[in-house]
Amino acid sequence: DTEVTQTPKHLVMGMTNKKSLKCEQHMGHRAMYWYKQKAKKPPELMFVYSYEKLSINESVPSRFSPECPNSSLLNLHLHALQPEDSALYLCASSQVGQVNEKLFFGSGTQLSVL
Amino acid sequence: KQEVTQIPAALSVPEGENLVLNCSFTDSAIYNLQWFRQDPGKGLTSLLLIQSSQREQTSGRLNASLDKSSGRSTLYIAASQPGDSATYLCAGSSGDSNYQLIWGAGTKLIIKP
Repeated sequence: DTEVTQTPKHLVMGMTNKKSLKCEQHMGHRAMYWYKQKAKKPPELMFVYSYEKLSINESVPSRFSPECPNSSLLNLHLHALQPEDSALYLCASSQVGQVNEKLFFGSGTQLSVL
Repeated sequence: KQEVTQIPAALSVPEGENLVLNCSFTDSAIYNLQWFRQDPGKGLTSLLLIQSSQREQTSGRLNASLDKSSGRSTLYIAASQPGDSATYLCAGSSGDSNYQLIWGAGTKLIIKP
């Protein structure tokens, strides 16, 4: 199984809503990532979890809250988002986060904030 | 500071042609160079990863090369097919961890039947 599964595929939310994005992998990878991608732009790294501990937070606003409940799951909790947060949110994983490891991406959640 | 550039931003070629996508980077102290494919509204698929000690990698009809001295990587696609239509992104690793990737903006490739 070389898949990273993200749910939901699409999400529309208001600025006062609370929602969560979910990501799951069963490849035994110990590094998991959240990226944000705007249309026609490359992905931007948001968070990195290494062995279920948050190791990188790229100065992301607190309205985005990541969580890694176990080695297979990664969540991104969303609260009080702004319209400019509308984007494709991608989850990725790799073996342990070292260079020369391939990144495996999910198909993403297309988020629209109204 | 490492910067990665992909030119052209878009490319359209007839089916069956061989083609080359370009990726340039400013800092030769690069740990690796990766090529990804992205279909519209979808995630990225890793195609090829070239380590700094290597000069090229091949997978099927794809061949990627790395020339650190000139700051260039190329992705060669042989006998292009309509299914190759996608955006191709390159990313260089500026450190010894996988999250230190510097991304190019991508080349949107259209293969005309």
